[in-house]
Amino acid sequence: AQTVTQSQPEMSVQEAETVTLSCTYDTSESNYYLFWYKQPPSRQMILVIRQEAYKQQNATENRFSVNFQKAAKSFSLKISDSQLGDTAMYFCAFRGTSGSRLTFGEGTQLTVNP
Amino acid sequence: GAGVSQTPSNKVTEKGKYVELRCDPISGHTALYWYRQSLGQGPEFLIYFQGTGAADDSGLPNDRFFAVRPEGSVSTLKIQRTERGDSAVYLCASSPQTGWPGELFFGEGSRLTVL
Repeated sequence: AQTVTQSQPEMSVQEAETVTLSCTYDTSESNYYLFWYKQPPSRQMILVIRQEAYKQQNATENRFSVNFQKAAKSFSLKISDSQLGDTAMYFCAFRGTSGSRLTFGEGTQLTVNP
Repeated sequence: GAGVSQTPSNKVTEKGKYVELRCDPISGHTALYWYRQSLGQGPEFLIYFQGTGAADDSGLPNDRFFAVRPEGSVSTLKIQRTERGDSAVYLCASSPQTGWPGELFFGEGSRLTVL
């Protein structure tokens, strides 16, 4: 079974600064997808970024980028130029090819301070 | 609507009662998922439908939980003899394709409180 671990329950950052959220996972599969989802107080999960395990190049979406280290099974999210609207719960998630479910980590509550 | 719709948004019930939570997925999405999210935790998988059939129900915690999707669109999660431990947000998601690498689109969830 896959597991996803987020070791930072809470993080804070000043507006316009950069913050990195950590995620590690465990799997025996060689091919899979990794995701970062954002969950604001509205409760709706919003996809931030995703990474295909067979692609060595790290994914980037505007201010969001990942550092994917396949050998270390690490998948961190970097948010540049943090904005107040980035305040939310962030979840790392794993999806393998042997099943269809997403497995989520425990989440990191990010607060962006003015 | 354009997104995944879940009703009710909030439900308060008494211990021992029966509840139904509804999910209306994005039109044309064949895959539908139910997750449960307890306070301060990540979502936990409950069940996944491909069309009308439950392709994976291994996340249902016990036989008090049951879900249906009779016409391959709307799904209902049914909880019998509710317990206080069932209090959580129940999230529904849909996907336009199964397996790899479809993205999941989530609703805003139904918050269930069992008194």
